[in-house]
Amino acid sequence: KNQVEQSPQSLIILEGKNCTLQCNYTVSPFSNLRWYKQDTGRGPVSLTIMTFSENTKSNGRYTATLDADTKQSSLHITASQLSDSASYICVVSAKDSSYKLIFGSGTRLLVRP
Amino acid sequence: ETGVTQSPTHLIKTRGQQVTLRCSSQSGHNTVSWYQQALGQGPQFIFQYYREEENGRGNFPPRFSGLQFPNYSSELNVNALELDDSALYLCASKQASTDTQYFGPGTRLTVL
Repeated sequence: KNQVEQSPQSLIILEGKNCTLQCNYTVSPFSNLRWYKQDTGRGPVSLTIMTFSENTKSNGRYTATLDADTKQSSLHITASQLSDSASYICVVSAKDSSYKLIFGSGTRLLVRP
Repeated sequence: ETGVTQSPTHLIKTRGQQVTLRCSSQSGHNTVSWYQQALGQGPQFIFQYYREEENGRGNFPPRFSGLQFPNYSSELNVNALELDDSALYLCASKQASTDTQYFGPGTRLTVL
């Protein structure tokens, strides 16, 4: 069964600190993996997208990694800001169903001053 | 801003009623997908439309139906509303040749 699991479920950090969010997936055959940021009550916004051959991708203070062998990904946030408070969702698409994305439940991050 | 808009922002209905949610895609995006997101959960795929035809569906009953129009707008219709239908409904559009979907802000539906 195609699944995406994220950890931790929620996280509280102080402003300026770094954090790392984890994503494990069992989707096969794998096409690509995305990280989205979703502010409360808003739609998700894409942060990064990685294919099988990519093992790291950065977008400003966000750096995503992908290990296609162990089927794990991480999102590292550097020098966190209050505006980073949001849910971060890992999304995997399977190669044979380009219209269907499998979403994780997300990690809810709260950055405190 | 993603260029995808949804209306209404919030909606309250009672059990058994019907509801229509609307989405306006980015110009040129011929593919639109709809998702249901329960509180604290990730979005669940409902269905996708490509050139006004449904070409993919998730595990949702037939009372969830949709339409896509030539002007890049689309609708999600839900009949016989149930309490569990309370959720944030998201639409996302893209060009068929690309992987990246652009999400709208969502419609928050509450069923009482």
